[in-house]
Amino acid sequence: KNQVEQSPQSLIILEGKNCTLQCNYTVSPFSNLRWYKQDTGRGPVSLTIMTFSENTKSNGRYTATLDADTKQSSLHITASQLSDSASYICVVSPNTDKLIFGTGTRLQVFP
Amino acid sequence: EAGVVQSPRYKIIEKKQPVAFWCNPISGHNTLYWYRQNLGQGPELLIRYENEEAVDDSQLPKDRFSAERLKGVDSTLKIQPAELGDSAVYLCASSPPHRAGTQYFGPGTRLLVL
Repeated sequence: KNQVEQSPQSLIILEGKNCTLQCNYTVSPFSNLRWYKQDTGRGPVSLTIMTFSENTKSNGRYTATLDADTKQSSLHITASQLSDSASYICVVSPNTDKLIFGTGTRLQVFP
Repeated sequence: EAGVVQSPRYKIIEKKQPVAFWCNPISGHNTLYWYRQNLGQGPELLIRYENEEAVDDSQLPKDRFSAERLKGVDSTLKIQPAELGDSAVYLCASSPPHRAGTQYFGPGTRLLVL
């Protein structure tokens, strides 16, 4: 069964600290993996996308890694800001027509 | 460029009442998706349109849910009658031709059924 699992479910950190979110998937075949940020009351917005051959991708303070052998990905946030408070959703695509969503990690950044 | 537009943003209804959500995708995007997102969960696909054709509605509860995209642009998702368990955020997304994996999401409609 195609599944995407994320951990932790929720996370609280202080402003300026770093954090890492985890994503494990059992999706096959594999086309690409995305990390989305979803602010409260908004739709998800794509942060990064990685294909099978890519093992790291950065977008500002966000850095995603991908290990296609172990089917794991991580999203590292550097020097967190209050505006980073959101849900982060790992999404794996088995083909061009479908997306498998994880349940997300809810991050709260406190001053 | 305008993003995906959805209305209303919030809706509160009593159970057994009908409700409809509207979506206007990004101009030029031929693929349109409706998702349901429960609290603390990721979005779940309800239906996908390629132009005006529904190409994947396998997860749409057809006894009470219906959708249409008559001219291949705007779309409407309807629930009739609504049940308490339908309370969720309904997200619309669109993607450009030949890039179905690149979906742009609207802000969603938050539905509360009392």
